[in-house]
Amino acid sequence: AQSVSQHNHHVILSEAASLELGCNYSYGGTVNLFWYVQYPGQHLQLLLKYFSGDPLVKGIKGFEAEFIKSKFSFNLRKPSVQWSDTAEYFCAVMRVNYGQNFVFGPGTRLSVLP
Amino acid sequence: DAGVTQSPTHLIKTRGQHVTLRCSPISGHKSVSWYQQVLGQGPQFIFQYYEKEERGRGNFPDRFSARQFPNYSSELNVNALLLGDSALYLCASSLAWEGETQYFGPGTRLLVL
Repeated sequence: AQSVSQHNHHVILSEAASLELGCNYSYGGTVNLFWYVQYPGQHLQLLLKYFSGDPLVKGIKGFEAEFIKSKFSFNLRKPSVQWSDTAEYFCAVMRVNYGQNFVFGPGTRLSVLP
Repeated sequence: DAGVTQSPTHLIKTRGQHVTLRCSPISGHKSVSWYQQVLGQGPQFIFQYYEKEERGRGNFPDRFSARQFPNYSSELNVNALLLGDSALYLCASSLAWEGETQYFGPGTRLLVL
């Protein structure tokens, strides 16, 4: 069965530190990839997405992600985190031609210390 | 434009009861998907409906059912509730059947006692 793994369960950083959250998936076909963020008490919001083209995609709030097809990875990065980035981050994979069935990773909780 | 809306926001039920959760998609979106998010885990796909037809079903028992109405709103029904059904139930909408970004609602938090 297809699965999505996220490398870290909980990441703690100080403000201005750089961030990289890992995401790997197991499906071998064509996929669309997403990162969603869930701020405390709020609903899931789209950070960025990859459908095709340039494997380095930029999203909102200074986030970017790189799709490496050979490694089945879609890692999320931000050069300098802020306290307001404290949230839960979810990687999601959608298999092309399988409908809107998103497979989510278990999530990574990011805590940014002021 | 209004985002995806869900009702109710919170619900408490007892084992064996039935529950109906409701979702209104973003205007113009024809696809609605339902997800279950258990505390500490990522959302798990339950159903997708597009143009009032079921287009996908996740690994959930037959106690779970859903439907989509002509105005593209949707209901998720769960019968014979179990303690393990306690979760946040998320609705997501998108423009088309596939290949689109999904936009999520705030969810309905269900507690089964």
